[in-house]
Amino acid sequence: DAGVTQSPTHLIKTRGQQVTLRCSPKSGHDTVSWYQQALGQGPQFIFQYYEEEERQRGNFPDRFSGHQFPNYSSELNVNALLLGDSALYLCASSSSPLEAFFGQGTRLTVV
Amino acid sequence: DQQVKQNSPSLSVQEGRISILNCDYTNSMFDYFLWYKKYPAEGPTFLISISSIKDKNEDGRFTVFLNKSAKHLSLHIVPSQPGDSAVYFCAARAGGNTPLVFGKGTRLSVIA
Repeated sequence: DAGVTQSPTHLIKTRGQQVTLRCSPKSGHDTVSWYQQALGQGPQFIFQYYEEEERQRGNFPDRFSGHQFPNYSSELNVNALLLGDSALYLCASSSSPLEAFFGQGTRLTVV
Repeated sequence: DQQVKQNSPSLSVQEGRISILNCDYTNSMFDYFLWYKKYPAEGPTFLISISSIKDKNEDGRFTVFLNKSAKHLSLHIVPSQPGDSAVYFCAARAGGNTPLVFGKGTRLSVIA
């Protein structure tokens, strides 16, 4: 079992550009959540996908959007990048309330 | 408004001693609590969790205690090892697959 995998691990983008981050959940997990972790902070919830639908959303602007595919993998898209979007983006998958497994994250730097 | 608070940004403990990491919460709807360990350049690693119907859960060297009346939980690591040095996050959710709400973390340093 490969666990939760995210790609890419690092990337650098310019202000105003768009970025797509990818996540493959742990085998058997059907729920994928995305979090943003700024430096010195705990992860902040962006949104959650279940059965290819956005089920819940945190306090993030519409520039942040996502998608879940039939195989439960997921993408996070961010449009019109701002310097403040620089952060570690984490994907988590789960199948029960008492667990949530995270990937290694994607470090996004906006310059 | 921070619903999950870890008031100690850092903690240093000698190898072999007990490490106690604390977490307070304000939302009485939280009924699942999870602890994660995070090394630099890695994602958070799940350690241990507890449901609000319990007051203690133990897994090897790790024990989590929950005091619902005080809205407080703590993670005990005994004995502490140098490999335990990491940032520890407390997280909570209000049932089902609701989003996890995280504290800001506590950096634990275990000194040999």
